[in-house]
Amino acid sequence: EVQLVQSGAEVKKPGEPLKISCKASGYSFSNYWLAWVRLVPGKGPEWLGLIYPGDSDTRYNPSFQGQVTISVDKSITTAYLQWRSLKASDSDTYFCVRAPVATSGAVGYFDYWGQGTLVIVSS
Amino acid sequence: EIVLTQSPGTLSLSPGERATLSCRASQSVSSNYLAWYQRKPGQAPRLLIYGASSRATGIPDRFSGSGSATDFTLTISRLEPEDFAVYFCQQYATTPDTFGQGTKLEVK
Repeated sequence: EVQLVQSGAEVKKPGEPLKISCKASGYSFSNYWLAWVRLVPGKGPEWLGLIYPGDSDTRYNPSFQGQVTISVDKSITTAYLQWRSLKASDSDTYFCVRAPVATSGAVGYFDYWGQGTLVIVSS
Repeated sequence: EIVLTQSPGTLSLSPGERATLSCRASQSVSSNYLAWYQRKPGQAPRLLIYGASSRATGIPDRFSGSGSATDFTLTISRLEPEDFAVYFCQQYATTPDTFGQGTKLEVK
């Protein structure tokens, strides 16, 4: 059974760093792109970036380029999303998702989702 | 980018009824690269349909997708109590992938 299990909720102050995780199991981790997505109320999901664990090829949504960093540790089949300096506008629930048909040119649909990690950034 | 417009915004029906949700694209979605998702409060979204008409793993056959080019439909043949949720569509034919704003399916 494919599972994506994310780390727990975080409450941070503006300017603080943060790294959240997504532990994958039940499939060949190296062979599927993983993406990070946030759900924007009234607008639908928005992907921040995605990574191919096999070779760590990473692509970012231009809207988030430079704002976040995505990485993986293949040895523990875990993906990460990190911020160097959080802003209040980063407050949201972030989902890790598997993107089975993603390529270097397109994201595709998301067939499995993590449970979400709530990030609250407040002074 | 392709803009997806879903209608209606809210659909009020009773269990056992048939639900028809629409997703209209501002330009043709090539290869019918369109997906539908379901989202319930406090839960992660769930993929229902990809490729406009292919059901995802484990999705009951009361859910069906149809359409092509700019007009797509998600049909739920007989509503079960657990089907009342928000549904949104996604096109992944053209970068950037875009999503519709969602249709809320509520109990009448």
